Amino acid sequence: DIQMTQSPSSLSASVGDRVTITCRASQGIRSDLGWYQQIPGKAPKRLIPAASSLQGGVPSRFSGRGSGTEFTLTITNLQPEDSASYFCLQHSSFPLTFGGGTKVEIK
Amino acid sequence: EVQLAESGGGLVQPGGSLRLSCAASGFNFDDYAMHWVRQASGEGLEWVSTISWNDGWKTINRHYADSVKGRFTISRDNAKNSLYLQMNSLRPEDTALYYCARSLGELSFPIDSWGQGTLVTVSS
Repeated sequence: DIQMTQSPSSLSASVGDRVTITCRASQGIRSDLGWYQQIPGKAPKRLIPAASSLQGGVPSRFSGRGSGTEFTLTITNLQPEDSASYFCLQHSSFPLTFGGGTKVEIK
Repeated sequence: EVQLAESGGGLVQPGGSLRLSCAASGFNFDDYAMHWVRQASGEGLEWVSTISWNDGWKTINRHYADSVKGRFTISRDNAKNSLYLQMNSLRPEDTALYYCARSLGELSFPIDSWGQGTLVTVSS
């Protein structure tokens, strides 16, 4: 099974800050990784469908990079509505596996 | 608009059974692989099962997490645009919010839409 290690598990930042979340895969997964946002009580929402492409309708302050085993999600100019949990999901092989999640809090 | 609406959750005793349903609308259901993903309260997300897209000719593939293999069965009815999860021999650790989700393929295509979830509670 491919293990996805996500860090940090939580962070606190101010409006306007730049934050970066990392997912590391235990083996190469090409670019078969997506990033998702989950607001408490709501269904997950896809942000980055592949490792670096942006989903239509998603603000351009969200960006993704990486391939192989290391991937990052960066939020520039953090906004109050970005307060949520973020997680990665590898879809390279079964079982599909998720990162542990990162809770982003706005100071 | 893509909509996925889960139903069928509830309270069940350990060892019991439950059948979850997911009604899909707003897209061509036949063209998409479908998934069940669960989330225990305060925990992360766990993939449960995937069923391949099916046009009536292609062989249907089913995949399961080890934690549910032999107890859960995923199925789909394209005529009803519906996805199902038959859950047998339920355990307290199966307690979670169960989401259905879709992707263009079983692998190499990311999940792009999720339902709101249905809550399953396994307790005596």
